[in-house]
Amino acid sequence: AQSVAQPEDQVNVAEGNPLTVKCTYSVSGNPYLFWYVQYPNRGLQFLLKYITGDNLVKGSYGFEAEFNKSQTSFHLKKPSALVSDSALYFCAVRDPGAAGNKLTFGGGTRVLVKP
Amino acid sequence: ETGVTQTPRHLVMGMTNKKSLKCEQHLGHNAMYWYKQSAKKPLELMFVYNFKEQTENNSVPSRFSPECPNSSHLFLHLHTLQPEDSALYLCASSQDLAGLDTQYFGPGTRLTVL
Repeated sequence: AQSVAQPEDQVNVAEGNPLTVKCTYSVSGNPYLFWYVQYPNRGLQFLLKYITGDNLVKGSYGFEAEFNKSQTSFHLKKPSALVSDSALYFCAVRDPGAAGNKLTFGGGTRVLVKP
Repeated sequence: ETGVTQTPRHLVMGMTNKKSLKCEQHLGHNAMYWYKQSAKKPLELMFVYNFKEQTENNSVPSRFSPECPNSSHLFLHLHTLQPEDSALYLCASSQDLAGLDTQYFGPGTRLTVL
């Protein structure tokens, strides 16, 4: 079975400071990993994904994530946070050995960027 | 916008009502999904369709009835719902069921059951 953990319910950061949102996963094989962001009253927007290759993945809006197989982590990062980055962030994992395109989502981390 | 639209955006219904949620994708995808997002709970996958065929029903109660007439449209028919069914219902689509395909989400329908 696949699972995802986002250990922080909320992350507070000052504008201009680095932002990190943590994610750890559990799958039986090599994972496919995704990050999505949800703004108020909106659906989930795709940010980036890791399938294979370079462990550092760059995505939309200046976000990047680093895949660490030994620590089973896929933390989302942004070097300099903006107030507009305040939103709910979801990490998701898929086990490519399982049938279908079933994503398992973490519980979400609310990011609050203060001016 | 992601290319996935949902209507209505908000819906209030009584427990005896029958209503339907609609999802339409303009991405040329073949797979479509219904998710339920409740407060303080992870997203729950409800149904998956691939080329109009249902491939997954994640133990969803029969008061939720999906319909996929073609690869671009997905419906969720609702009847005799319970207050605990109040949630944000999200539709998503992907090219197909290959694991590396990204799922793109609609804005959701906020459902309140009185």
